Amino acid sequence: AQSVTQLDSQVPVFEEAPVELRCNYSSSVSVYLFWYVQYPNQGLQLLLKYLSGSTLVESINGFEAEFNKSQTSFHLRKPSVHISDTAEYFCAVIPTGGYQKVTFGTGTKLQVIP
Amino acid sequence: DAGITQSPRHKVTETGTPVTLRCHQTENHRYMYWYRQDPGHGLRLIHYSYGVKDTDKGEVSDGYSVSRSKTEDFLLTLESATSSQTSVYFCAISNEGTDTQYFGPGTRLTVL
Repeated sequence: AQSVTQLDSQVPVFEEAPVELRCNYSSSVSVYLFWYVQYPNQGLQLLLKYLSGSTLVESINGFEAEFNKSQTSFHLRKPSVHISDTAEYFCAVIPTGGYQKVTFGTGTKLQVIP
Repeated sequence: DAGITQSPRHKVTETGTPVTLRCHQTENHRYMYWYRQDPGHGLRLIHYSYGVKDTDKGEVSDGYSVSRSKTEDFLLTLESATSSQTSVYFCAISNEGTDTQYFGPGTRLTVL
């Protein structure tokens, strides 16, 4: 079984400031890692994912996340946030070896302050 | 956007009544999922399907049943709704079990 911890339930940050949303996971097997974003009154949508290869992955809107196997972390960062980044962000993991159930974290609400 | 619709989008019902939520996809994806989202709990998997008539339980399956008679439709039934089942329900699909999931717009269910 695996678990995902997002310690920060809410993160307020001023516009144009940098932000880091933390995600740590626990698993006895190798995993794929995902960040999903949920805008108000919408479903979740994929932001970025790590499957293999380079441990640094980027999204089209300036977010990046780095897979750190030794620290079992997959923190999400952005160097300069915009008002439009206000949303809830979910980290998720799924084992690589065949289908098993995906596990989501409890989410972090990013509030960008003008 | 992936072609996923959920119906109804909003429903208010009374304790003890049966409720069925529908998820419909036009992507021909093999896997379909039902989640509930509650404050402080994130998303929790209720049931999922890995093919027509192939379903399995998630972590919060008690009080829920599902059916999938066609690739495109996945139904979630609350046999006898309780107030603890008041939640926002999301359907999701994926082509492979370890692949990206695509989510529907959600159904807000209130059980009085």
